[in-house]
Amino acid sequence: AQRVTQPEKLLSVFKGAPVELKCNYSYSGSPELFWYVQYSRQRLQLLLRHISRESIKGFTADLNKGETSFHLKKPFAQEEDSAMYYCALLFIENTPLVFGKGTRLSVIA
Amino acid sequence: KAGVTQTPRYLIKTRGQQVTLSCSPISGHRSVSWYQQTPGQGLQFLFEYFSETQRNKGNFPGRFSGRQFSNSRSEMNVSTLELGDSALYLCASSLAYNKETQYFGPGTRLLVL
Repeated sequence: AQRVTQPEKLLSVFKGAPVELKCNYSYSGSPELFWYVQYSRQRLQLLLRHISRESIKGFTADLNKGETSFHLKKPFAQEEDSAMYYCALLFIENTPLVFGKGTRLSVIA
Repeated sequence: KAGVTQTPRYLIKTRGQQVTLSCSPISGHRSVSWYQQTPGQGLQFLFEYFSETQRNKGNFPGRFSGRQFSNSRSEMNVSTLELGDSALYLCASSLAYNKETQYFGPGTRLLVL
């Protein structure tokens, strides 16, 4: 079965340090990939999607088909990046999004 | 444009009762998905509706059901509530089906006592 794994439940980094939130998936095809973010007391919202190849709030994510990963990266963490981050994949047309269990990022001043 | 709205925002029920949650999508959006969010399991997909038809269903018991109306508003119902049904229930809407970005509502927090 297709699976999305975010191995870290909690990631703490210092302000200004690089951030990498890991996302691995199990699927032999080419999924569509998303990162969603939920800031404190706010609703879940799309951060970026692979197909658009954008950099949002300084975050980027690269698809590595060989390692079946879609890690989210930012070179310099800011306190306002503290939030819950979910990786989500669309494996096959006409099936629902599959979310990872999320990683809570805490940026320490 | 108004965002996705969900009512009620908070709900307390007792075991065995049933509950109906409502979701109004963004104007013009025809697809509505429901998720259950808990600290241990994260986001789990419940079902997705498009043009009043259920297109996908997650791995939840038959006590969980839903429907979508002609104006794209959606409701989900949980019958015979159990303690384990306590969760944040999120609704998300998108323009079309499946591959579009989903826009989430604030959720309904359900507590079952």
